[in-house]
Amino acid sequence: SAVISQKPSRDICQRGTSLTIQCQVDSQVTMMFWYRQQPGQSLTLIATANQGSEATYESGFVIDKFPISRPNLTFSTLTVSNMSPEDSSIYLCSVIQEDGSGYTFGSGTRLTVV
Amino acid sequence: KQEVTQIPAALSVPEGENLVLNCSFTDSAIYNLQWFRQDPGKGLTSLLLIQSSQREQTSGRLNASLDKSSGRSTLYIAASQPGDSATYLCAPPGPGNTPLVFGKGTRLSVIA
Repeated sequence: SAVISQKPSRDICQRGTSLTIQCQVDSQVTMMFWYRQQPGQSLTLIATANQGSEATYESGFVIDKFPISRPNLTFSTLTVSNMSPEDSSIYLCSVIQEDGSGYTFGSGTRLTVV
Repeated sequence: KQEVTQIPAALSVPEGENLVLNCSFTDSAIYNLQWFRQDPGKGLTSLLLIQSSQREQTSGRLNASLDKSSGRSTLYIAASQPGDSATYLCAPPGPGNTPLVFGKGTRLSVIA
């Protein structure tokens, strides 16, 4: 099954700055997904990223705040822009296995905004 | 819209006990359902994937069942160990087999 390398694993950032999170997959995948997990909450889907097209954002999430790139079938980035303390969360990328064995997740990025 | 509820929200048991975690979902038109484990501050580890044509799936001490018609799944953990302490998440796909939808999970603590 696919293995995802997600970086950074954690970061502490100043409000007003931006952080870019990277996910590298060891095989080609059609769709990649970005989730947010706020403290004490479950995972919420931010957007779906397909190679060669703009990401599709869920209600409550906008491209200006969470721009996503998907330059090829093995890589994607999520940027958290103009951060505020409310953006403190764990951010996770995910892919659906092409062999039908379900979804795989990256190890997560724990973001703290101060 | 798919909504997922997991009961109990938290569970503390002594080592060696068998336990059952419950998951219910509102949209039963799913192709499969996946159970994950999450350690504090970490990503998700897939435990079991049950296809809609299956009634249950087993991996080691874990057994998951799926009843699509009633919108329920259970995860059974046999002979629990302290290393099983984590949050367990049930995740069916959203409507139209869209990306996974998560409940709040069950936070399990196994006491040695």
